[in-house]
Amino acid sequence: NAGVTQTPKFQVLKTGQSMTLQCAQDMNHEYMSWYRQDPGMGLRLIHYSVGAGITDQGEVPNGYNVSRSTTEDFPLRLLSAAPSQTSVYFCASSIGQSGNTIYFGEGSWLTVV
Amino acid sequence: AQSVTQPDIHITVSEGASLELRCNYSYGATPYLFWYVQSPGQGLQLLLKYFSGDTLVQGIKGFEAEFKRSQSSFNLRKPSVHWSDAAEYFCAVGGPGNTGKLIFGQGTTLQVKP
Repeated sequence: NAGVTQTPKFQVLKTGQSMTLQCAQDMNHEYMSWYRQDPGMGLRLIHYSVGAGITDQGEVPNGYNVSRSTTEDFPLRLLSAAPSQTSVYFCASSIGQSGNTIYFGEGSWLTVV
Repeated sequence: AQSVTQPDIHITVSEGASLELRCNYSYGATPYLFWYVQSPGQGLQLLLKYFSGDTLVQGIKGFEAEFKRSQSSFNLRKPSVHWSDAAEYFCAVGGPGNTGKLIFGQGTTLQVKP
């Protein structure tokens, strides 16, 4: 998973708290995305970005906010954490050319109590 | 609707036996297909990918997959399974442009018996 860095790796939140999951890549990739992984459901797309200043919603965007002020960073904000947001979160990046690899971060384990 | 189905939630094979994990997809455009593996508590590792060309794709760790457009399938195979292959396997489909917008299957958990 070279090049995509996620922080923190583990986090426990109380219901109603807000927090930001950080994602940074140093490969000058134009495309970045956030997924959540839940048992039996695979990974589902939360938000994605096709470049700095451009973001769009994925399959499960509710309760999350993103922005892309630089090419390198794509933070995911939980506005008011809920137990249903307990999940493993993965950030990914790619260069957007056919045949190139999509790189995933190592994941962030979030528990909302 | 775009979707990926992995019909087998859990598979158990004996070490040394052959393995086939099934993946069926529904996708309106030309599909780009991926197989990822995830060990417990770890991130995703790309096993192989198909974008175009030869429909039989070779990957890492001795895995291969065959793209069959007529069957909308991209099954993963390995001729001889090792205990270290025990993990969860995900099939995913994306579209042209390699944008990172992937649709994942539910995953198949592989258990390897000694």
